[in-house]
Amino acid sequence: RKEVEQDPGPFNVPEGATVAFNCTYSNSASQSFFWYRQDCRKEPKLLMSVYSSGNEDGRFTAQLNRASQYISLLIRDSKLSDSATYLCVVNMGGTYKYIFGTGTRLKVLA
Amino acid sequence: DAGVTQSPTHLIKTRGQHVTLRCSPISGHKSVSWYQQVLGQGPQFIFQYYEKEERGRGNFPDRFSARQFPNYSSELNVNALLLGDSALYLCASSPGELLYGYTFGSGTRLTVV
Repeated sequence: RKEVEQDPGPFNVPEGATVAFNCTYSNSASQSFFWYRQDCRKEPKLLMSVYSSGNEDGRFTAQLNRASQYISLLIRDSKLSDSATYLCVVNMGGTYKYIFGTGTRLKVLA
Repeated sequence: DAGVTQSPTHLIKTRGQHVTLRCSPISGHKSVSWYQQVLGQGPQFIFQYYEKEERGRGNFPDRFSARQFPNYSSELNVNALLLGDSALYLCASSPGELLYGYTFGSGTRLTVV
């Protein structure tokens, strides 16, 4: 089983739609969780951290479910500019090692 | 403040050669990590350094080595290059605390021919 798994997509959604991505992780000792966004041929950029109680940043909501070992990202009112690959990142418990998922491609259509 | 800077931005090498990639972290950041990203995949962890000590190593062969200098900049060295080493090499820095995410540099795109 992969340490961090994501559905690669692509998710093709119309502008204004709500879309959700899930990411599962295998190490129950994992402590820190993040979502990164990566545009084509660019470096990943931190989108948001994921906190135990869930957190929201504008149109973006991140949730953590420790019991089922997954994190999620919800994007409301999708914009064309949201088209990118969204990478789930999990810290290996007790280390500074961050494991990336393969990413989920999102394409928002006009 | 400058972000994470990497050099060179692009590089073409032939099989069997050696390459050195460089990274300067954000000022004040003591942790530097190296990742390899092959097209269509997520970044794969290579090394993590904190306060000049290796704190973690991914599943990469011994041809890959790295070090961190007293000013917290870092080098990634790859010997005996193979075609499969062609990738985007990303350097990331963080203050060092587990709760902080990484900030990535724009990467070095290495092509081995």
